[in-house]
Amino acid sequence: GAGVSQSPRYKVAKRGQDVALRCDPISGHVSLFWYQQALGQGPEFLTYFQNEAQLDKSGLPSDRFFAERPEGSVSTLKIQRTQQEDSAVYLCASSLRRSGGADEQFFGPGTRLTVL
Amino acid sequence: LAKTTQPISMDSYEGQEVNITCSHNNIATNDYITWYQQFPSQGPRFIIQGYKTKVTNEVASLFIPADRKSSTLSLPRVSLSDTAVYYCLPLAGNMLTFGGGTRLMVKP
Repeated sequence: GAGVSQSPRYKVAKRGQDVALRCDPISGHVSLFWYQQALGQGPEFLTYFQNEAQLDKSGLPSDRFFAERPEGSVSTLKIQRTQQEDSAVYLCASSLRRSGGADEQFFGPGTRLTVL
Repeated sequence: LAKTTQPISMDSYEGQEVNITCSHNNIATNDYITWYQQFPSQGPRFIIQGYKTKVTNEVASLFIPADRKSSTLSLPRVSLSDTAVYYCLPLAGNMLTFGGGTRLMVKP
């Protein structure tokens, strides 16, 4: 594909449900990032992968959040036992190179999660 | 991480030049200055990046003074489609740290 794709675009979950959000990065991009964006705010970093290795997960807000990228391409962000405060847009981004240097990140359209 | 300060919002009219200034007083030596644009219901999009002096591309210009404590994004002759949120980010390594951004409204 031409860009980063995310699915689903919209997800409504009942409080306590588990959700899985998928990201398909640009083919060949080494680095992959997840961000959380609350309404009216800038995106906030959650976690970073270089190929299949999760090198930074310092932004994950709790142990209910888990991300993986097992084959170094597609990534899944999983949220267990969702809470209302998890309602946000979850953005995925990819970049071509490894860590180090100011590399352009390409963002997907995001998944809007609403927890009722 | 360098803290950034930029206007919360700006209004402009079609055809005008818009300058958005961002202050980043404690920028690190190896930080680049990067600007992203975000439209509603879309992910942010890279606009321009620089280290010092002036950088120009087909979309915008970026002016960075010698002390690098601020930067100015210049959008020539804006159109209605430039209505968006603009984020200034000092960047070193990979992690992008977004602030609140500047909400630019272009009016006809």
